[in-house]
Amino acid sequence: DTAVSQTPKYLVTQMGNDKSIKCEQNLGHDTMYWYKQDSKKFLKIMFSYNNKELIINETVPNRFSPKSPDKAHLNLHINSLELGDSAVYFCASSQAGGGYNEQFFGPGTRLTVL
Amino acid sequence: AQSVTQLGSHVSVSEGALVLLRCNYSSSVPPYLFWYVQYPNQGLQLLLKYTSAATLVKGINGFEAEFKKSETSFHLTKPSAHMSDAAEYFCAVRLNRGNNDMRFGAGTRLTVKP
Repeated sequence: DTAVSQTPKYLVTQMGNDKSIKCEQNLGHDTMYWYKQDSKKFLKIMFSYNNKELIINETVPNRFSPKSPDKAHLNLHINSLELGDSAVYFCASSQAGGGYNEQFFGPGTRLTVL
Repeated sequence: AQSVTQLGSHVSVSEGALVLLRCNYSSSVPPYLFWYVQYPNQGLQLLLKYTSAATLVKGINGFEAEFKKSETSFHLTKPSAHMSDAAEYFCAVRLNRGNNDMRFGAGTRLTVKP
């Protein structure tokens, strides 16, 4: 019973293409996130949604656009892919409210831009 | 502002030896602190968290961490390393804010030698 799932697990594409990564959580959480992990394992938050509303939008190129059709899903669409977009992208979710609520992570999507 | 610093990007221990992974935080208000583990090609998994209930926190897989306000530290320890502990470990800090923003350290790779 997967708590946070992402598809696809691997994504290889050419520069300039547009691609999407899907995320779903079945934990009933109110908040979902997208993180980018670079080749040095540094983890950087990109977006946070709470009940389908954008809460955090860090300094991310506007080629990246999150979409939350409902509170169980948060998809990431990337336009005009660049070499520097190659990374592992993680979706996560947590219960809203107190800061003591941990985040639950998906397995990651490894994006390779050629 | 909140941030977290992990001292040592790479720690190597022998099997059966003490594991000590260091984490220092800076926060203007009492923080919530977390340790996550990431095994190769997987997402992050929560090891333990500090939520101001007890300063010594026990987690999964025999790990524990002690919150020391005077030292602004939350170091992770395990008395006896096992080969299966080899992974990347992340310390994270979060304030009790409505946007549930969590900041991660740069990570420490733990290697366990036979």
